[in-house]
Amino acid sequence: DAGITQSPRHKVTETGTPVTLRCHQTENHRYMYWYRQDPGHGLRLIHYSYGVKDTDKGEVSDGYSVSRSKTEDFLLTLESATSSQTSVYFCAITEEGRGLEDGYTFGSGTRLTVV
Amino acid sequence: SQKIEQNSEALNIQEGKTATLTCNYTNYSPAYLQWYRQDPGRGPVFLLLIRENEKEKRKERLKVTFDTTLKQSLFHITASQPADSATYLCALPSGGYQKVTFGTGTKLQVIP
Repeated sequence: DAGITQSPRHKVTETGTPVTLRCHQTENHRYMYWYRQDPGHGLRLIHYSYGVKDTDKGEVSDGYSVSRSKTEDFLLTLESATSSQTSVYFCAITEEGRGLEDGYTFGSGTRLTVV
Repeated sequence: SQKIEQNSEALNIQEGKTATLTCNYTNYSPAYLQWYRQDPGRGPVFLLLIRENEKEKRKERLKVTFDTTLKQSLFHITASQPADSATYLCALPSGGYQKVTFGTGTKLQVIP
């Protein structure tokens, strides 16, 4: 997707290991979000950021932490991965103000499997 | 918190017909509502936004209505094509910083 990339695209990890997912944008948008998508639950907000070093929790934040040290990067860390965190993770960005009319721009997602 | 309901059953329609998808919400009327399209293995793509004071909005073959009395938005695709086959998500605002909450989506299959 233009202007936003997620890495890695796929990852298999073992239970109890730390995992970091990266979201990188080139749009200079203020707002960044991490969602997870699971069958039957749809997209659920994990954490979001409203500026450098400004982050807050979403509805399913337990077991996750985030950091945003630069406008362009938003990292999602699973401190100790569990099987319940097997999911597809999406990063999204939007511009302040005008962002409502333009909606969110999503990355291509990271498929994480915890075994 | 806002609860959003989209028909979880897939919608199958014949090519050329109009597809109509429903998004219902249960609590307060939102200031706006967004619709997204998601293809398998891809992130959602924003389609359009409708505000609470707009009854209807159109974009090419897409038409969205917003009925705050019924607490419902309808999403129409006219002259549907197989390429329109995808999952369609609605999203409503859920607090500050332009956060939105997504419905679970409805899968549309357009049959040639």
